[in-house]
Amino acid sequence: DGGITQSPKYLFRKEGQNVTLSCEQNLNHDAMYWYRQDPGQGLRLIYYSQIVNDFQKGDIAEGYSVSREKKESFPLTVTSAQKNPTAFYLCASSIGQGLAIDEQFFGPGTRLTVL
Amino acid sequence: QKEVEQDPGPLSVPEGAIVSLNCTYSNSAFQYFMWYRQYSRKGPELLMYTYSSGNKEDGRFTAQVDKSSKYISLFIRDSQPSDSATYLCAMRGAAGNKLTFGGGTRVLVKP
Repeated sequence: DGGITQSPKYLFRKEGQNVTLSCEQNLNHDAMYWYRQDPGQGLRLIYYSQIVNDFQKGDIAEGYSVSREKKESFPLTVTSAQKNPTAFYLCASSIGQGLAIDEQFFGPGTRLTVL
Repeated sequence: QKEVEQDPGPLSVPEGAIVSLNCTYSNSAFQYFMWYRQYSRKGPELLMYTYSSGNKEDGRFTAQVDKSSKYISLFIRDSQPSDSATYLCAMRGAAGNKLTFGGGTRVLVKP
């Protein structure tokens, strides 16, 4: 089945620790995205990548880092510098390539809780 | 002020009623408009995708865009309990693929 997988589904972290969230897609999409969702605030873009080995900051990149070494993988690291990391994290991908209509497909999400 | 405003709800309707959802936005550069449905603890899924002003219908769903008023709407006819979810509007400009989302409206359809 084609799709986007995120792991783990639930993640608990102690303050001061870095954690890495996994995102894998087998849709052969060029573009991948990381969003954070907090209650009542919709989705906010953290980082996005249009192509392998390239990525750009979104609206709330502080305290996060990413890498894009493979087309199918876009891991997100939540560092200890992120002041309020408890949230629902969503990964998405799209064909990209400058398409006018470029639907983003979402993974099932990872819920991160800082203890 | 947020770039995209959406009433958080919850919006409670009886089964079979019409659900009316809307978003207002401030950025006149937005050209593409989307509605996503998100069930609890799941990722959003795309429902409707429209370009510029006008109406688009897909089964029980109708999306409307009024660029002059910076206002978009989603109507769900003959609502079902399975339509109970959070509905997110999203939009972007002509260039690039970065989306700006509304905060989402929670909808409850009661049997």
